[in-house]
Order: sequence, then C-alpha cells, then structure tokens
Amino acid sequence: AAGVIQSPRHLIKEKRETATLKCYPIPRHDTVYWYQQGPGQDPQFLISFYEKMQSDKGSIPDRFSAQQFSDYHSELNMSSLELGDSALYFCASSLRTAVQAFFGQGTRLTVV
Amino acid sequence: EDQVTQSPEALRLQEGESSSLNCSYTVSGLRGLFWYRQDPGKGPEFLFTLYSAGEEKEKERLKATLTKKESFLHITAPKPEDSATYLCAVQATSGTYKYIFGTGTRLKVLA
Repeated sequence: AAGVIQSPRHLIKEKRETATLKCYPIPRHDTVYWYQQGPGQDPQFLISFYEKMQSDKGSIPDRFSAQQFSDYHSELNMSSLELGDSALYFCASSLRTAVQAFFGQGTRLTVV
Repeated sequence: EDQVTQSPEALRLQEGESSSLNCSYTVSGLRGLFWYRQDPGKGPEFLFTLYSAGEEKEKERLKATLTKKESFLHITAPKPEDSATYLCAVQATSGTYKYIFGTGTRLKVLA
C-alpha cells in the first residue's frame, strides 16, 4: 500500500541558508501534519493543512512557512536556518473523517 | 491543556521478561489514543488506536488497553527485535485533530 513519502531523506545546510522539505500524502488523504522531533524528544506539532488550507498552527517559528498544493502534497520552507533547527521533520497524512494518521519516514535536517 | 505523559522513560528487559508501558493523558475530549513504535532515525510506525475506556487491542506480543485516564502497552515475552521507542499520542475531539505526543519509552530487550 502507498505510504507517506517525504523528500529528501537527509539534508545538510549551513546556518542562515534555506531548506525546503516535501511531503506527499497517501492518495485521497485530505489532511497533512508537520512535526519536528529533536534528538531524544517527542514529536512537536508545527502546522497542519486540511483541503489545502491551514487548519492549525503549533510551535512553528516565523522563519518557517508551509503550504499544501492542489495535488495535496505539502512543502515546509525553512529560512535563516539555525543550529537548533537540526532535527527529524515528519509529515503525516490522514482523512479528516478518520482518526488515524500515517507518518512518513521523515527528513533528517542537519544545520552546520 | 491537553497533555500526555509516558513512563518509564527507559526500560531494559531480558528476552522473555514481560512488562508494561504506561501512558497517562489529560484531554478535553478523547477522539483517539494511539500507540506508535519508532526505530532510530525513522518515522513512527502505527501500532494501535483505542477509542474508549475498556477497549483492548492485540498484535503479536503487544496488547494495548485504555482507561479514562491512562493506557497501557503490555509486552509479553519480548524479543530483541521489539527494542524501539514506543510513543503514545492523543487526539482531542475539539480543535483540528492534531496529535499530542508523549516523550516515549525507550525499550531495550536483551538476548
């Protein structure tokens, strides 16, 4: 069965650079969530989209922005990267009417 | 405020030594409680969804139970391949259905 696809899997950037993370949800899923997981920490909610509209916002820095496109894939744009942005970034997708969300394998971002 | 607390933070078991992981939660209204398994550097892998107190679900050596305040993940006769971090998350009936995660229990099963 198709799963949530994230790209790239690994990304190394320098401080103050920009990064773009992509998420392709499971087909027909209308909701996308983004999470950030620092080393040894639980996933922290960043932002979510439902039917291409932002539906909720968590602890997402102003330097970050995200959007969901007409084909339901989502991109997380991160600017002015800081060392503390180094983390695993997960995307999850679900059907709004369903309870369960499925997670992608994540993008490991390293800022040097 | 919706909150999830997991205990213990870390657990070491001998192969075959059964134990339980705890997830205590506070949520305005529970839409669902979820257990995930996470291997290092990988995304959370779905294990169970529980919806209401008294519900139980099983999968191989794992059994999840739910009360009004907490959930347990029971591991029976674990094997080394069960070593992972087990995450608990809740989804509230109000708001936008985001998942609120606990900090997880790091399980190590020794051969």
